[in-house]
Amino acid sequence: QQQVKQSPQSLIVQKGGISIINCAYENTAFDYFPWYQQFPGKGPALLIAIRPDVSEKKEGRFTISFNKSAKQFSLHIMDSQPGDSATYFCAARGTRDSNYQLIWGAGTKLIIKP
Amino acid sequence: KAGVTQTPRYLIKTRGQQVTLSCSPISGHRSVSWYQQTPGQGLQFLFEYFSETQRNKGNFPGRFSGRQFSNSRSEMNVSTLELGDSALYLCASSLVPPPETQYFGPGTRLLVL
Repeated sequence: QQQVKQSPQSLIVQKGGISIINCAYENTAFDYFPWYQQFPGKGPALLIAIRPDVSEKKEGRFTISFNKSAKQFSLHIMDSQPGDSATYFCAARGTRDSNYQLIWGAGTKLIIKP
Repeated sequence: KAGVTQTPRYLIKTRGQQVTLSCSPISGHRSVSWYQQTPGQGLQFLFEYFSETQRNKGNFPGRFSGRQFSNSRSEMNVSTLELGDSALYLCASSLVPPPETQYFGPGTRLLVL
């Protein structure tokens, strides 16, 4: 079965530091890699996404780095703030062969210490 | 525009009962997906509907079923509830498949006693 492995499971970062969450996928074709952010009591919300023809995408303090050959992608949060404390999910969308199904990572609980 | 709404927000059931959860997507969105979220398992995909047809299905037993109506509203049903079905059930909508930006509702918290 297709999998997306996300690490770490939890992460504590000091305010102002860099938070890094990693995801790796197995040998299959994916064409879209979104990251979702979930606050307690809320549903996940799209944070940032990247396609495999791009190695990096930056939106404000959030950056996705994508390494196609290593089948890895990561989320970097620069100047992490207490308001960034949330659970983060990576995902990968399959191609037409898999009916474009989204495969999700297990999530990372991020805590930013003031 | 109103977001994705899910009803009820909280539900307590006992083993063996059945439950029906409802999801109203964002106006104009025709694709609805359902997920089960538990602390240890993250987001587990249940099924996706588009134009009243199931497009994709996750690895859940047949006790889990769903449907979509002509107005894109969707329901999911769980029959013969088990303790392990206790979870947050999330509904997400998107304009059309394949899913890019999915908009999630707040979820229905189901507790099975």
